Amino acid sequence: GEQVEQLPSSLIVQEGASVLINCSYTDSASVYFPWYKQEPGKRLQFIIDIRSNMERKQNQRLTLLFDKKTKHLSLHITATQPGDSAIYFCSAKGFASALTFGSGTKVIVLP
Amino acid sequence: GPKVLQIPSHQIIDMGQMVTLNCDPVSNHLYFYWYKQILGQQMEFLVNFYNGKVMEKSKLFKDQFSVERPDGSYFTLKIQPTALEDSAVYFCASSLAPGTGIAQYFGPGTRLLVL
Repeated sequence: GEQVEQLPSSLIVQEGASVLINCSYTDSASVYFPWYKQEPGKRLQFIIDIRSNMERKQNQRLTLLFDKKTKHLSLHITATQPGDSAIYFCSAKGFASALTFGSGTKVIVLP
Repeated sequence: GPKVLQIPSHQIIDMGQMVTLNCDPVSNHLYFYWYKQILGQQMEFLVNFYNGKVMEKSKLFKDQFSVERPDGSYFTLKIQPTALEDSAVYFCASSLAPGTGIAQYFGPGTRLLVL
C-alpha cells in the first residue's frame, strides 16, 4: 500500500524565517495530497491541497510544490509567526477514499 | 471552518468491555471516516461509511469493530470486545464526497485507553 515519508520530523525557526517541509510517497496511483496542521491540543485543520495534475499551489504564505516524476511534495511557509507553531501532516489519496498520512513535522516558531 | 465533534474526548475501560466512540460530522457531509493513531505512530485509515454502509475498510478494522449512523444521529465506532492494542486516539472525519480534491474535516479525537 501507499507509504508517505515526511521530513524533517521537527524544526525550530525564528519568527519571520521560512520553513520547508518535504514529503514523498510511493504509490503512483495517488492523485490528491491534502496537508493538515495540528496546533497543540487542537484538531487537525486542513490548510492546503494539490492534485496530481498541478505543479504548484499557493495560499497566502503557503506554497505547495508537487513533482509527479519524483513523487515528491514540499510545503514552503514564508514569514513565519508564532501562530504557525504546530505539527504539519502531509497526506496522499488515490481513488479510494482513505488518506495515508506522513508522520508529521513539528514546527516551533520562536518570537 | 466546518467542525466535526467527537464525544467523549477521553475514555478508559477494562480489556474485554465494549466501547462506543461518537462522532458528530459536519451537517451537510455524506461521507464519514474513522482513523486510528497509536501513540508515536502515524495516523492510519480504518473505515469509510456512506449511505448506511461500509464502503472501504483497512486491515486494522478488525471483526470486533463496527460502525453505524442510526437515523442521522452520531456516527459511531463500536469496539466489542476491546483489546489492549486498541489503545489509541481515534479520529473521526467527514467530507461532502469521497473524490479527489474534496477535503476531509477532522474531529479532535477520542483518546481511548484499554487497561
